[in-house]
This record gives sequence, structure tokens and C-alpha cells, in this order.
Amino acid sequence: DAGVIQSPRHEVTEMGQEVTLRCKPISGHDYLFWYRQTMMRGLELLIYFNNNVPIDDSGMPEDRFSAKMPNASFSTLKIQPSEPRDSAVYFCASKGRGTAASSGNTIYFGEGSWLTVV
Amino acid sequence: RKEVEQDPGPFNVPEGATVAFNCTYSNSASQSFFWYRQDCRKEPKLLMSVYSSGNEDGRFTAQLNRASQYISLLIRDSKLSDSATYLCVVIKNYGGSQGNLIFGKGTKLSVKP
Repeated sequence: DAGVIQSPRHEVTEMGQEVTLRCKPISGHDYLFWYRQTMMRGLELLIYFNNNVPIDDSGMPEDRFSAKMPNASFSTLKIQPSEPRDSAVYFCASKGRGTAASSGNTIYFGEGSWLTVV
Repeated sequence: RKEVEQDPGPFNVPEGATVAFNCTYSNSASQSFFWYRQDCRKEPKLLMSVYSSGNEDGRFTAQLNRASQYISLLIRDSKLSDSATYLCVVIKNYGGSQGNLIFGKGTKLSVKP
């Protein structure tokens, strides 16, 4: 079975440019998460969706960041305009509908999108 | 106080050693707990869930102490391949809906020959 698929794997862009990161969750999963990881701050939740609806976007740093999930198999995270401090690894993850006590709470990560803004 | 705190390490241990990591969490309503493993330049992957009664998977043992609000991971007979960063994960579920997964910053383990 295919896991969570992210693109691009690596991107280097100039400050001020728009960046679009893409994610295809595991088929059948109801939840999709966007995380950002840096050495200083660790793994931070930016936003998560349930059945394509954004549930909690309190982790989105500022208005330059936006995320959409137009259907169950696709999500995007956009940064416009990008800044050097946005350089990080951006992970998309998905999980099923399981309860706290079940294996459905397992979250599966994509391989990440390594973003460098110069 | 941070929601989930871990000693960043690094823990440098020889092969065959036993090593233990602790993780503390601040929200007493947290209900689900996990350990994830992240290799260098890779994505995090589930290592094991942590159950109230404690659970063991081969050389790995996870325990939960709700009264003191910490979870632990014990690795026995450590192998070179255990070298990685171990992330503590806590979930607070809100009634019937799923809550956020809160990750600790991770504890780095380096097993030496």
C-alpha cells in the first residue's frame, strides 16, 4: 500500500516567492495533518483536517500560510510570500478514525518536504 | 511549562547497554500516549503505543505514570540500529472527537560499538 505522498521532496526558493507543498494522504484516512520541524522548535502542528474540513489551524504561524483540502485525497500548504525563517521540513501525515485505545490513532507521516528559502 | 517535555540528550551508550528515557506532559486530561522513532533526515514512525498497564515489545518497554504525568521508554540490550531520536507523543481527545497529537522535541540516542 502507498503511504503518505508529499511533493516536492526538496525545494530551494528565493525570499518573496510563493511555495506550494502537496500531500496525498493514505486512502481511507479521515484525518490529515501538516507539521513543521526545525531544530529549534521541534515538530509543530500547523493545521489538521477531518473529512476535508479544517479543525484546528491555531498552529499556522501567520497569514502568509494557508492550507486547503479540496478532496479526501489531496491537500496543499501554501506560503506566500516566503521568508528565510520558513526554512524547515514540512511533514504531512494522516490517520484513520480509530479511538484512543485502538491502532487507528497511529499517525503515518510522509517523507517530508525540505524547504530552504534564501 | 511546555505541554510535552523530553531530555534532548544525546544519550551515548555502548552496545548491549540498557537505556531509559522519560517524558513529562502537562495536561492531566491527556488520554493517549505513544513513542515515535525518527532516524536522521527521515520521517517519524510509530515505535509503540503506551498503555496504562505498561507494555513490552521485544527489547522495548513503555510505561505510563498518570499520577506523576510521565511516560517512559526502556531499551534493553541496545543495538547500533537503535540510534535515532525518540519522540514522545501525547493526545488529548475531546469527547468524541480527536485531539491534536503533541510531540516532544525528542531524545537523541547514539549507540556506539
